[in-house]
Amino acid sequence: DAGITQSPRYKITETGRQVTLMCHQTWSHSYMFWYRQDLGHGLRLIYYSAAADITDKGEVPDGYVVSRSKTENFPLTLESATRSQTSVYFCASIIGGELFFGEGSRLTVL
Amino acid sequence: LAKTTQPISMDSYEGQEVNITCSHNNIATNDYITWYQQFPSQGPRFIIQGYKTKVTNEVASLFIPADRKSSTLSLPRVSLSDTAVYYCLVGDMWGSNDYKLSFGAGTTVTVRA
Repeated sequence: DAGITQSPRYKITETGRQVTLMCHQTWSHSYMFWYRQDLGHGLRLIYYSAAADITDKGEVPDGYVVSRSKTENFPLTLESATRSQTSVYFCASIIGGELFFGEGSRLTVL
Repeated sequence: LAKTTQPISMDSYEGQEVNITCSHNNIATNDYITWYQQFPSQGPRFIIQGYKTKVTNEVASLFIPADRKSSTLSLPRVSLSDTAVYYCLVGDMWGSNDYKLSFGAGTTVTVRA
């Protein structure tokens, strides 16, 4: 039971490049989330999705784009990466009142 | 969104009880209080959830006063492996149309031998 799988686990890119972080769930949970985690800020919600083709902004959506064409996939795209987007990104889904998280994707923007 | 406030860090020793209090003054009627634990290089994982009074499971207890404006996570007899960051999350976790669930900064608990 893999649960939530994120890829890549580690990524180094340069300012201005496009980066896509992938998230795949082996369940069929309706809701999925993207968070970023920075020292001193805890986990901040970027975007979430209620179902395929339904997405909504969280606390810090600027600079990010999401899509959800299939229930099991929820990719996060940085269209033009900036240094301030260096962070650890977590994907999650929710069922039964409990959030389930992936292992995270550590992104460094140089 | 119900804003949460937790201590930034706490130190303890093996075998002691650790109590972490989370303040959430603007908690809404449909909000639940959920605590998560996170180890380095891992995603957070669920510890315990409650709505009011006291909840206990095999790893922790959660105390919620009648006004629900705060909650306390209690970790009995901690060990070195309990060293982690603990997050208090307040929100409607059950069937809400708005799942804007955001976490606070968390409490870093360090357990020493």
